[in-house]
Amino acid sequence: DGGITQSPKYLFRKEGQNVTLSCEQNLNHDAMYWYRQDPGQGLRLIYYSQIVNDFQKGDIAEGYSVSREKKESFPLTVTSAQKNPTAFYLCASSSQGPGEAFFGQGTRLTVV
Amino acid sequence: AQSVSQHNHHVILSEAASLELGCNYSYGGTVNLFWYVQYPGQHLQLLLKYFSGDPLVKGIKGFEAEFIKSKFSFNLRKPSVQWSDTAEYFCAVILYTGFQKLVFGTGTRLLVSP
Repeated sequence: DGGITQSPKYLFRKEGQNVTLSCEQNLNHDAMYWYRQDPGQGLRLIYYSQIVNDFQKGDIAEGYSVSREKKESFPLTVTSAQKNPTAFYLCASSSQGPGEAFFGQGTRLTVV
Repeated sequence: AQSVSQHNHHVILSEAASLELGCNYSYGGTVNLFWYVQYPGQHLQLLLKYFSGDPLVKGIKGFEAEFIKSKFSFNLRKPSVQWSDTAEYFCAVILYTGFQKLVFGTGTRLLVSP
């Protein structure tokens, strides 16, 4: 089945450690996005990418990094510089131009 | 800065009441507009979308939205809500700023009481 896969669903890390969240899609979409969802704040854009080997900072990129080495994959690293990393992270993809975004199931990251 | 505003954070309605959720965006260029819904414990899913043409668009489950360009608005409506419409609703906009940027509003939690 075509779709977006985020793994793992739940992730626990100790404070000060970097952690990488996986996002893979087999929809042949060019555009991919990472969001953070917090109660009352909606989905805030962290990073987005339109093509392989290119990506742009979103509205809350500080403390995060990404790579886009393959069209299918857009991993997000939450670094120790992110002050409040505990959150629900959503990955999405869409085709170029007008088109709906499809979402993964999300990863809930808890930093203790 | 480009942004998407949803006016109501929490809405409580009785079944059969009419619904209107507000959405405004601040960007003067080309946009594509969406409403997504997130039912409890489920993925975000698309309700409806506007790309061009008729500014009144119809989506799934009896929802519709009207794009008013002069007001930078894309309000979501449903004439008669059901208990199963209880969910969180997000307005979203694709901004074409040289890159394709998909921005969401803060969401509106709708509770429909039976």
